[in-house]
Amino acid sequence: NAGVTQTPKFQVLKTGQSMTLQCAQDMNHNSMYWYRQDPGMGLRLIYYSASEGTTDKGEVPNGYNVSRLNKREFSLRLESAAPSQTSVYFCASSDRFMNYGYTFGSGTRLTVV
Amino acid sequence: AQTVTQSQPEMSVQEAETVTLSCTYDTSENNYYLFWYKQPPSRQMILVIRQEAYKQQNATENRFSVNFQKAAKSFSLKISDSQLGDTAMYFCAFMKPAYSGAGSYQLTFGKGTKLSVIP
Repeated sequence: NAGVTQTPKFQVLKTGQSMTLQCAQDMNHNSMYWYRQDPGMGLRLIYYSASEGTTDKGEVPNGYNVSRLNKREFSLRLESAAPSQTSVYFCASSDRFMNYGYTFGSGTRLTVV
Repeated sequence: AQTVTQSQPEMSVQEAETVTLSCTYDTSENNYYLFWYKQPPSRQMILVIRQEAYKQQNATENRFSVNFQKAAKSFSLKISDSQLGDTAMYFCAFMKPAYSGAGSYQLTFGKGTKLSVIP
């Protein structure tokens, strides 16, 4: 099915471990995003990529890095996980010229112990 | 920077009744887009309805409609004939249009309203 695919769906990390969340879209969208969702906080933008070859910080970028590997793929890396990074992470994509909103992946629930 | 406020953390409604979820936003932009997203327990984010600020007519999608008051910066969601499947978190979101400079095509979300539909 067309859409945004995120892997993994669940992950438990120990403090200090690193990991990469993968995201791929097959809708030929230009823009891709990483959000985190915490209880009572809504969704907050971590990083985004307006187009292939560009990435920019969002509201809460500290502790994260991203790579726009190609037009389809946008990964989020935690270099040294901390308990404060326990959250649900969403990847999304959009056609920047159409303003039709985002298509979201199904999310990754990450727990850092 | 844009802000989106949802003042009702939780709401409940009887099945088949009508409920309205509130959303206000703050922006200096004249053209922009507003959205309501639904997040059921499955965690999936689902677009419910979309409104373009330059259109005066309120958007409608089946049982879902909005009351868009541009001057008041208000964007409420009305759900008619509520169904058990409407139980979810609902997020209001704001987007600047493309070519509007820094922050364009980024969605800014409110903190959400948890809606429970009671049988």
